[in-house]
Amino acid sequence: DTEVTQTPKHLVMGMTNKKSLKCEQHMGHRAMYWYKQKAKKPPELMFVYSYEKLSINESVPSRFSPECPNSSLLNLHLHALQPEDSALYLCAGAVTLGTSPLHFGNGTRLTVT
Amino acid sequence: GIQVEQSPPDLILQEGANSTLRCNFSDSVNNLQWFHQNPWGQLINLFYIPSGTKQNGRLSATTVATERYSLLYISSSQTTDSGVYFCAVNYGGSQGNLIFGKGTKLSVKP
Repeated sequence: DTEVTQTPKHLVMGMTNKKSLKCEQHMGHRAMYWYKQKAKKPPELMFVYSYEKLSINESVPSRFSPECPNSSLLNLHLHALQPEDSALYLCAGAVTLGTSPLHFGNGTRLTVT
Repeated sequence: GIQVEQSPPDLILQEGANSTLRCNFSDSVNNLQWFHQNPWGQLINLFYIPSGTKQNGRLSATTVATERYSLLYISSSQTTDSGVYFCAVNYGGSQGNLIFGKGTKLSVKP
């Protein structure tokens, strides 16, 4: 069991689909992150939210749209993705931004066909 | 930007052996963390260690911030230790951006 829960575990979508990845935590994390990980590569930062406000956007294409509705939830909305966007998408949380351990969810394995 | 280098890139051990993984970084960091990613993709935080030494069971870590390196020690390795070990650093003014090294892939044979 992890402190950060991601759904779905697996997702297959076409290039014209719209889907959302969800992340939930109830551990009081005020910093929440989206990372993307390709096979045999380290995780790459996409977005960071601090106190429900977008703090960092690592020049991610607009087909990825993050949302933080409240302190427990983080969404990643997907639209018009490309096959090269297929990857493991990881959500993570930390009590504070940059000064506390980062805890990852189990990830969503996304395949774009 | 900061460079994070891990060595060795690959390591094969017999069960019961000890090992040391190294992480070098090119600039001053605010903090450093070690993670283990198991073969199913789950990333587990092992240590939050900006400086000093910490121990957790068979694992221990030491960060010497002034010399810009950190070491992860695994003693009496088990097959469940297999996977990829990442170090990640946070530096400079961008407090949220945790930069990952390329990892050390560890395989422990029975």
